[in-house]
Amino acid sequence: QVHLQESGPGLVEPSETLSLTCTISGGSISNNYWSWVRQPAGKGLEWIGRIFSSGSTHYNPSLENRVTMSVDTSKNQFSLNLRSVTAADTAVYYCARRGQGATFDFWGQGTLVTVSS
Amino acid sequence: EIVLTQSPGTLSLSPGERGTLSCRASQTITSSYLAWYQQKPGQAPRLLISGASSRATGIPDRFSGSGSGTDFTLTISRLEPEDFAVYYCQHFGTSPFMYTFGQGTKLEIK
Repeated sequence: QVHLQESGPGLVEPSETLSLTCTISGGSISNNYWSWVRQPAGKGLEWIGRIFSSGSTHYNPSLENRVTMSVDTSKNQFSLNLRSVTAADTAVYYCARRGQGATFDFWGQGTLVTVSS
Repeated sequence: EIVLTQSPGTLSLSPGERGTLSCRASQTITSSYLAWYQQKPGQAPRLLISGASSRATGIPDRFSGSGSGTDFTLTISRLEPEDFAVYYCQHFGTSPFMYTFGQGTKLEIK
């Protein structure tokens, strides 16, 4: 069973960079797409972007000027950097695996990131 | 960009009743890339349906998906207590490559 685990700071100051890592266990990061999805408290889901195991990326156009994703296949990890954060970036951040039909079939438990000074 | 609009925003039903949730796309979309998720408080979303109508592994057969073009439906034939949650539809587009979610339908106990 594939397991995903997000890690990173729970508090980020405004204008700084939010950095998260997703570690995959029980399966390989190879030959698949891996995404980040976020959810502000009490609100819906927003896709941030995805990365293939080779390193190619697609980002949400609304965030692409602030987002960078990377992959480390040797560690079975992929990462998210979101620059110049504001309070509007406060959310639970999930990592997820691409499943059949361009779905998300496995998700991490989510990590709350708060943007505040 | 595709916009998915779910209705109703909140659906109040009793266990044993039938639940019908709607997802409407702003333009015709490929059914192959339409999915449904269930989310309970404090948990990550759970994949229910892919390709508009195919149940994911382990999903009970009381959940079914249908639709094509711009109108899609998730039906729960007989509501169990554990089915009360928030449900999201999701689409994957290829121009540009992008995932879009509906705003969600909250299914609550009446």
